[in-house]
Amino acid sequence: DGGITQSPKYLFRKEGQNVTLSCEQNLNHDAMYWYRQDPGQGLRLIYYSQIVNDFQKGDIAEGYSVSREKKESFPLTVTSAQKNPTAFYLCASSTSGYTDTQYFGPGTRLTVL
Amino acid sequence: DAKTTQPPSMDCAEGRAANLPCNHSTISGNEYVYWYRQIHSQGPQYIIHGLKNNETNEMASLIITEDRKSSTLILPHATLRDTAVYYCIVRVVRNAGNMLTFGGGTRLMVKP
Repeated sequence: DGGITQSPKYLFRKEGQNVTLSCEQNLNHDAMYWYRQDPGQGLRLIYYSQIVNDFQKGDIAEGYSVSREKKESFPLTVTSAQKNPTAFYLCASSTSGYTDTQYFGPGTRLTVL
Repeated sequence: DAKTTQPPSMDCAEGRAANLPCNHSTISGNEYVYWYRQIHSQGPQYIIHGLKNNETNEMASLIITEDRKSSTLILPHATLRDTAVYYCIVRVVRNAGNMLTFGGGTRLMVKP
């Protein structure tokens, strides 16, 4: 089955620790995205990547880092510099055309204790 | 960036049509209107999109006004499984990117 997978679904970390969230897609999509969602809020863009080995900051990139070494993978690291890391993190992908539809993974809920 | 305005919540009776409005009065000529929905604690699901013509697919219909300043998503026969937050989004192009800007959405509650 084609799709986007995120792991794990729930993640707990102690304050001050870096944590990496996984996102994998087998849709052969060029573009991938990371969003953050806080309770009762819409999604906010953290980082996006249009092509392998290239990525751009979104609206709330501070305290986060990404890499795009493979087309299929776009891991997100939440660093200790992120002041309020507890949130629901969503990964998405799309082909690179102007009117492309983004398809989302199931999300990872990160709780920092 | 064109912004959207949606009512925060709506109710609909099961089996009836759900009509979800969206205002996007500052939309540009080359910006598309997208609709997604998000069931609690899941990733958003694409529903439909359009530029200026009305669109229909197996999930819903999208009606865009002639001046493109507003649109309506129609779920023709709402079921309990359609209970979700519905997001109306206007596409933003940034550095040839494919951005989506999500607002607060409309929380649709389908009731028996």
